[in-house]
Amino acid sequence: GAGVSQSPSNKVTEKGKDVELRCDPISGHTALYWYRQRLGQGLEFLIYFQGNSAPDKSGLPSDRFSAERTGESVSTLTIQRTQQEDSAVYLCASSPGDLTDTQYFGPGTRLTVL
Amino acid sequence: EDQVTQSPEALRLQEGESSSLNCSYTVSGLRGLFWYRQDPGKGPEFLFTLYSAGEEKEKERLKATLTKKESFLHITAPKPEDSATYLCAVQAWGSNYKLTFGKGTLLTVNP
Repeated sequence: GAGVSQSPSNKVTEKGKDVELRCDPISGHTALYWYRQRLGQGLEFLIYFQGNSAPDKSGLPSDRFSAERTGESVSTLTIQRTQQEDSAVYLCASSPGDLTDTQYFGPGTRLTVL
Repeated sequence: EDQVTQSPEALRLQEGESSSLNCSYTVSGLRGLFWYRQDPGKGPEFLFTLYSAGEEKEKERLKATLTKKESFLHITAPKPEDSATYLCAVQAWGSNYKLTFGKGTLLTVNP
């Protein structure tokens, strides 16, 4: 079946511009996560959505970062006034929300801020 | 704060030369330890979950083991197609299931 999909696959933007990244989770998965992978670093948790519960935003690095999810479907991660340090691969993962809770990752969006 | 340290950072093997990757962790209460494989330009691909010390899981040439402080990923008779970055992550109880990742081990298997 279809896995997690993300778009765009690559995004180049200028410093100060806003960007929007999209994630389509696996159908039926109630949980959705965003992570950031900077060069030479481990994946960093950003935000978690579970069904209709309030999202866990504890990993967002600044108020320039925000994310939304409509029900149990698509999520968008928005970065306002991008900075060069925002350059990274942004990965989305979804999980069934059951006891095993394995997270399945999408291919990521590579963001480059010039 | 949960922490994961992976070693070595990079490992070169000849085809057929078995070895192990290490993942040391500190976590408030371990719910699960995860191994992923990541190929260049792609997202992490799930390999294993381990839940308790003493547990072992196998898949083809890979075997993952878990103790109270670390996990090992054993690679037996590797092939060039096993070349990838292997990521270890922990999940703590009460953490909303978020994963804390190590930086990974870049494995290169030469033919």
